[in-house]
Amino acid sequence: DVKVTQSSRYLVKRTGEKVFLECVQDMDHENMFWYRQDPGLGLRLIYFSYDVKMKEKGDIPEGYSVSREKKERFSLILESASTNQTSMYLCASSLTGGGYGYTFGSGTRLTVV
Amino acid sequence: AQKITQTQPGMFVQEKEAVTLDCTYDTSDPSYGLFWYKQPSSGEMIFLIYQGSYDQQNATEGRYSLNFQKARKSANLVISASQLGDSAMYFCAMREGPFGNYQLIWGAGTKLIIKP
Repeated sequence: DVKVTQSSRYLVKRTGEKVFLECVQDMDHENMFWYRQDPGLGLRLIYFSYDVKMKEKGDIPEGYSVSREKKERFSLILESASTNQTSMYLCASSLTGGGYGYTFGSGTRLTVV
Repeated sequence: AQKITQTQPGMFVQEKEAVTLDCTYDTSDPSYGLFWYKQPSSGEMIFLIYQGSYDQQNATEGRYSLNFQKARKSANLVISASQLGDSAMYFCAMREGPFGNYQLIWGAGTKLIIKP
C-alpha cells in the first residue's frame, strides 16, 4: 500500500524552539508539498519541491524552510517556532502530469506554547 | 479572483439521501484537471475522484460521481445513498495545464454532516 508518512501525529513545542516536521513517501514521486491548514483559511501552501534539492516557495513561506536531500524525504523546518504557527501541517506527494492528484500524509497537529 | 469556489460552507443531509456538493472553477487553460478530496475528522486527506477537461464522460467512483458541466465551469460532487461515514470536509481542487503545473488550487471546502 503506497504511503506518505509524517513522523508525528501530535507535537507540542515551546516558543523559540527549532522544529522539524518529517515526511517520507514510498511512491517514487517527484513532487512533494507542505501545507498548513487552519479553520476558515483552508489549505495554504508553504513550500513545495519538484526534485531532489529543489524547492519553491508557496503562498506562506515566511518563518519556514525546507530540505529535500533525498527523493523520498521532504522536511519542514520552523526555525524559531511561534504561537501563530500552531496549526495542522499536511505533507503530500504527486507524480508530474495533469491527471495526477496528491497523496497526503495523515497530518501533524503542532501546538506551540 | 477565486479560481475554485465552493459556495456551501456546511451541509446537513439525512442518511441515505443523495448529496450534491458544489464546485465552480475559473481557468482560461483548455487543459486542466479537477479533483475532489475528503477529509474526515482524523485529518487525513483522501482522494475521491478526478475529471480531466477533455474527458467525454463524467467520472464515477463507486458512490461518487462528478457532474462536470464544462460550459458552466462547474464540477459538482454527487454522493449517492449517503452514509454516516461520509460526514467530513470535502475539498474541490484544480490543476491547470496538461503536464502538471505542480500545484493544485484548492477550494475552501464544504463541511458535510450526515444525520441518522
